[in-house]
Amino acid sequence: ELKVEQNPLFLSMQEGKNYTIYCNYSTTSDRLYWYRQDPGKSLESLFVLLSNGAVKQEGRLMASLDTKARLSTLHITAAVHDLSATYFCAVGLNDMRFGAGTRLTVKP
Amino acid sequence: GAVVSQHPSWVICKSGTSVKIECRSLDFQATTMFWYRQFPKQSLMLMATSNEGSKATYEQGVEKDKFLINHASLTLSTLTVTSAHPEDSSFYICSARQGAGNTEAFFGQGTRLTVV
Repeated sequence: ELKVEQNPLFLSMQEGKNYTIYCNYSTTSDRLYWYRQDPGKSLESLFVLLSNGAVKQEGRLMASLDTKARLSTLHITAAVHDLSATYFCAVGLNDMRFGAGTRLTVKP
Repeated sequence: GAVVSQHPSWVICKSGTSVKIECRSLDFQATTMFWYRQFPKQSLMLMATSNEGSKATYEQGVEKDKFLINHASLTLSTLTVTSAHPEDSSFYICSARQGAGNTEAFFGQGTRLTVV
């Protein structure tokens, strides 16, 4: 069964700092998703990574995928308070599995 | 992106009653729909996958008779929580995918169910 591990589970950052969230998965997959969830809301799609070496950037967030290492990273550059949310990675096509989520808090 | 509408957004029901949640793809035909449950401060857990016109495939540990899923058309899937109990209180989220291959699944806004 596909397992998705995400770390850290909790991340408290100061504004302006950089940090990386990691997502490891257990079986071969060539697609990986990153989502953002605000409290009480559903998921907002951030990135869809479809091939080895894929790198996508949107604002202060950049995601990459290494299918050989079964690893994806979500890098946060110069964090701002508005990025505070829970971030999930998910893997798979027919039965998407989610990581546990990283609760990010960005403090002034 | 494509729009998936879920209704209701929240519902409160009494123990023992049944609740139906609808998931509609508004601007595309969803050949596959997924139902997830999310408890507070936890991740999303896949409950079942449904393909239009066929029976849903349930994940291990999910009671088929309690969580009835119907995917009668290419734009609508429903989840009925039967004989609801307080432990069924959760955030239920659906997602829909247009076809096979490299297509992304789009998520509904979720339904918060509270059973009292």
